Amino acid sequence: DTGVSQDPRHKITKRGQNVTFRCDPISEHNRLYWYRQTLGQGPEFLTYFQNEAQLEKSRLLSDRFSAERPKGSFSTLEIQRTEQGDSAMYLCASSFRGSSDEQFFGPGTRLTVL
Amino acid sequence: SQKIEQNSEALNIQEGKTATLTCNYTNYSPAYLQWYRQDPGRGPVFLLLIRENEKEKRKERLKVTFDTTLKQSLFHITASQPADSATYLCALVGGATNKLIFGTGTLLAVQP
Repeated sequence: DTGVSQDPRHKITKRGQNVTFRCDPISEHNRLYWYRQTLGQGPEFLTYFQNEAQLEKSRLLSDRFSAERPKGSFSTLEIQRTEQGDSAMYLCASSFRGSSDEQFFGPGTRLTVL
Repeated sequence: SQKIEQNSEALNIQEGKTATLTCNYTNYSPAYLQWYRQDPGRGPVFLLLIRENEKEKRKERLKVTFDTTLKQSLFHITASQPADSATYLCALVGGATNKLIFGTGTLLAVQP
């Protein structure tokens, strides 16, 4: 197992376009998190999946954002009608419920909205 | 609302010295607290977890303390090396989903 992977690593898009990011967690991990990080700040929680169920969404997650985790494996995060304020690093993390709850982070997707 | 504060200024120390990073929190009573390391352009990497009933935790050159009365955690790196230079993030574990609530991080620079 090579850890959590994210694709793409970088995405440049024009304002108003839709973008989709993918996260592949560690295979036996049933918990999956999305965070957003802007320069000079710590990551901020966006949403949480336990298996395929989306159990928590942050108030930061406007209705332009949607996330899925079909079959409880990989997850996608879609942003519709992107705005310049969406520019950030989008991080995915996974963990195994019942463990010490340390989260394993992917390398992130850097989004730049022009 | 919950607030987590870390040293806002970068911390510059000489190789071989002990680095001490501070994490203070308000309006929260976490069951446990985690520390992560983040290098530029990469995701955070877990370092240590300390529970509310533990005063101190050690791992190699790392030591974490947790004072629930002061609402503070201290993170120490002894015999620091230039390779320890990175941003260190404190995170409280929030709610039933165990989502992480991060501080802003402290940038540590160890000079050779």
